[in-house]
Amino acid sequence: SQQGEEDPQALSIQEGENATMNCSYKTSINNLQWYRQNSGRGLVHLILIRSNEREKHSGRLRVTLDTSKKSSSLLITASRAADTASYFCATDAQKTSYDKVIFGPGTSLSVIP
Amino acid sequence: KAGVTQTPRYLIKTRGQQVTLSCSPISGHRSVSWYQQTPGQGLQFLFEYFSETQRNKGNFPGRFSGRQFSNSRSEMNVSTLELGDSALYLCASSLVSGGGSPLHFGNGTRLTVT
Repeated sequence: SQQGEEDPQALSIQEGENATMNCSYKTSINNLQWYRQNSGRGLVHLILIRSNEREKHSGRLRVTLDTSKKSSSLLITASRAADTASYFCATDAQKTSYDKVIFGPGTSLSVIP
Repeated sequence: KAGVTQTPRYLIKTRGQQVTLSCSPISGHRSVSWYQQTPGQGLQFLFEYFSETQRNKGNFPGRFSGRQFSNSRSEMNVSTLELGDSALYLCASSLVSGGGSPLHFGNGTRLTVT
């Protein structure tokens, strides 16, 4: 079963605009991560945010985490055509000793030049 | 530092055969996880190994198995292949088990079952 669900499923924006993707999850977590995948390739790690953190930045990326709402958002500012990819959130689970990392279905982002 | 290496890159097998996929993690990483990715089901967790021990297993039939060697390299095996096993199989390594450190993915093995 999937722990995280991204929203929207697909997003199309013009180059230079901001892109926001949301992730909702069901059970309490220790950590939440965001990944990018270009077509047919492996996933690339973007940001890891821990359950006691509320916001993290990395370059043009900003991730927020609201544990009370069990949700996270990924903001990409000043998007570029090279940002075209699928974006996934991944969560673990707080209650188990050895947590597995579960991925959501992803958001497909298209940035139009 | 070399990344995660998966071999082979592509495989074509027929129903009923078995297949072994290989994954070499980043040096120093002791955790290796495997995922199956299909258009319909997305990324599904298969299993995770840490220091040669299986720590977690996903909801897959017993035809899917894996192992990890003392040098942290991992293999997964699928026996009695079915058409539905066609997928991109991704391996990821990390410093620690679970979600406490980033997963570093290989480019995957594309398995086609005919």
